[in-house]
Amino acid sequence: EDQVTQSPEALRLQEGESSSLNCSYTVSGLRGLFWYRQDPGKGPEFLFTLYSAGEEKEKERLKATLTKKESFLHITAPKPEDSATYLCAVRGNTGNQFYFGTGTSLTVIP
Amino acid sequence: DTGVSQNPRHKITKRGQNVTFRCDPISEHNRLYWYRQTLGQGPEFLTYFQNEAQLEKSRLLSDRFSAERPKGSFSTLEIQRTEQGDSAMYLCASRTESSGAYGYTFGSGTRLTVV
Repeated sequence: EDQVTQSPEALRLQEGESSSLNCSYTVSGLRGLFWYRQDPGKGPEFLFTLYSAGEEKEKERLKATLTKKESFLHITAPKPEDSATYLCAVRGNTGNQFYFGTGTSLTVIP
Repeated sequence: DTGVSQNPRHKITKRGQNVTFRCDPISEHNRLYWYRQTLGQGPEFLTYFQNEAQLEKSRLLSDRFSAERPKGSFSTLEIQRTEQGDSAMYLCASRTESSGAYGYTFGSGTRLTVV
């Protein structure tokens, strides 16, 4: 079965302190790895899609990378407004659903 | 079109009552999904519609749950004889074939509390 594991569960950073979030996955036929941001009480908000190993995507202070077994979300010089839960999901070739990890709760302290 | 709309935002119900949620997807999106998310967990797939056809259902979707998408537009998710374990955020998402690179667009969800 397709599976996603995210680590760490929670991360506290000082403003400006760069770090990385990990997403390990097993999937039969990767049709996309997705990163979402979720604020409390809201639905997930799309950030990136990665399709193949070696691919990278960037948006402001965020950069997502992909290998054959895991993806990283790098956060450079984070600001308090980056505080949120970051979810990773994969889509395999066995259906239309996405498999989500449990997320990493990021808190950036001013 | 401002995105995926879900109503109500919050619902408190007594155990044993029936509840119905509504999702209005982005108008040009023909694919619609329902997910359930409990506290501290990622969203879990419930069911998928392509136009009006319900093409996939999760094993999580017990016979107390039913979903419809008449005319391929809005969708409803009904839970009969609610149980405390049904308390969760119910998320709706939509997409089209051409939006693959953008994954889903999610609504803000309906938070259900069963007391």
